[in-house]
Amino acid sequence: DVKVTQSSRYLVKRTGEKVFLECVQDMDHENMFWYRQDPGLGLRLIYFSYDVKMKEKGDIPEGYSVSREKKERFSLILESASTNQTSMYLCASSYSHRKWNEQFFGPGTRLTVL
Amino acid sequence: DQQVKQNSPSLSVQEGRISILNCDYTNSMFDYFLWYKKYPAEGPTFLISISSIKDKNEDGRFTVFLNKSAKHLSLHIVPSQPGDSAVYFCAALGAGNQFYFGTGTSLTVIP
Repeated sequence: DVKVTQSSRYLVKRTGEKVFLECVQDMDHENMFWYRQDPGLGLRLIYFSYDVKMKEKGDIPEGYSVSREKKERFSLILESASTNQTSMYLCASSYSHRKWNEQFFGPGTRLTVL
Repeated sequence: DQQVKQNSPSLSVQEGRISILNCDYTNSMFDYFLWYKKYPAEGPTFLISISSIKDKNEDGRFTVFLNKSAKHLSLHIVPSQPGDSAVYFCAALGAGNQFYFGTGTSLTVIP
């Protein structure tokens, strides 16, 4: 059974804290993605990675960074959390070959920044 | 700028009737489209997809239609069931394997 797991389902942090969100997939996927989901805005891509140590900015990378040291793990980092980063964060992975276009999502992390 | 749009934030349908969810896109280079379904407190799950070389793809109760000239796709669910109540996102695959998602439509199927 394919699986994408995220380190926390719920997280509460204070403004200015450094926050790490971890994502692990067990499908040997090349591509991994971080999205945030907000009401009325849908899923917006923050960063993605198509290989180890590779990263590409998505639509809203400001205030975020990422790390991919191993193929199965993709971390999202909030260097200094702010209240406008309160959101649902979703990690996803997919194969690189275009015939395998389905993305598999983790359950999400609900982050609240106070 | 939103390249994939779902203009209806919500939709209510009676059980047994047809649900039609719509999606519009602006980038003519998109060549693969997907629909995802999302229940509360869960990640989205893949539902059905369509390549731009087709205009229809069917999987059980779910059919996706693509109108390339209008840059429009739709998801038909027939018959609708209460378990179909969820948020539905359409997505388009762009260059570099980047996915562009719509804002979602919340479907409620009334028993």
